[in-house]
Amino acid sequence: GAGVSQSPSNKVTEKGKDVELRCDPISGHTALYWYRQRLGQGLEFLIYFQGNSAPDKSGLPSDRFSAERTGESVSTLTIQRTQQEDSAVYLCASSSKLGRTGAETQYFGPGTRLLVL
Amino acid sequence: RKEVEQDPGPFNVPEGATVAFNCTYSNSASQSFFWYRQDCRKEPKLLMSVYSSGNEDGRFTAQLNRASQYISLLIRDSKLSDSATYLCVVNRYGGATNKLIFGTGTLLAVQP
Repeated sequence: GAGVSQSPSNKVTEKGKDVELRCDPISGHTALYWYRQRLGQGLEFLIYFQGNSAPDKSGLPSDRFSAERTGESVSTLTIQRTQQEDSAVYLCASSSKLGRTGAETQYFGPGTRLLVL
Repeated sequence: RKEVEQDPGPFNVPEGATVAFNCTYSNSASQSFFWYRQDCRKEPKLLMSVYSSGNEDGRFTAQLNRASQYISLLIRDSKLSDSATYLCVVNRYGGATNKLIFGTGTLLAVQP
């Protein structure tokens, strides 16, 4: 079946511009996550959605970053007034509903490579 | 101090060798544990979950020691295709949160 998809796969933008990154989770997965991976570094958690709500936004690095999810499906991560330090791979993951025995496996999309010039 | 610590490597080993990776985590509230594999310029993929009782999947064996907050991965009979970065991952969930916390990864290069 189809996995997590993300678009665009690559994005080059100029400092100060806004960008939108899209994630299509696996059909039926109620949980969706955004992570960021800077060059040579580990993945950093950004935000977690359960359905269309985001109970944990603690990883968003500044108020320039926002995300929304609609229809318990597609999510958009928006970065306003991009800065060079925003350059990274932005990865989306999804999982089925949290079970009684613990978290379900998170499946990752291929990521969007963002380069801010 | 990072919440999940790994030796970044690289580990350069010949084909057929046995190699072990270690990882420590600092937050005792961590509840689930995993090893993910990440190939160059690709997304992470789940390799295996890690349990206190230890678990094995073919050539791969993972172990968790909750008392020491220590996780290990053993790869036997290394193959060229095992070359990748191995990510130690802990999951905290419950209440308002559900997130994976990644180590920076250990790079493995299996040489012919």
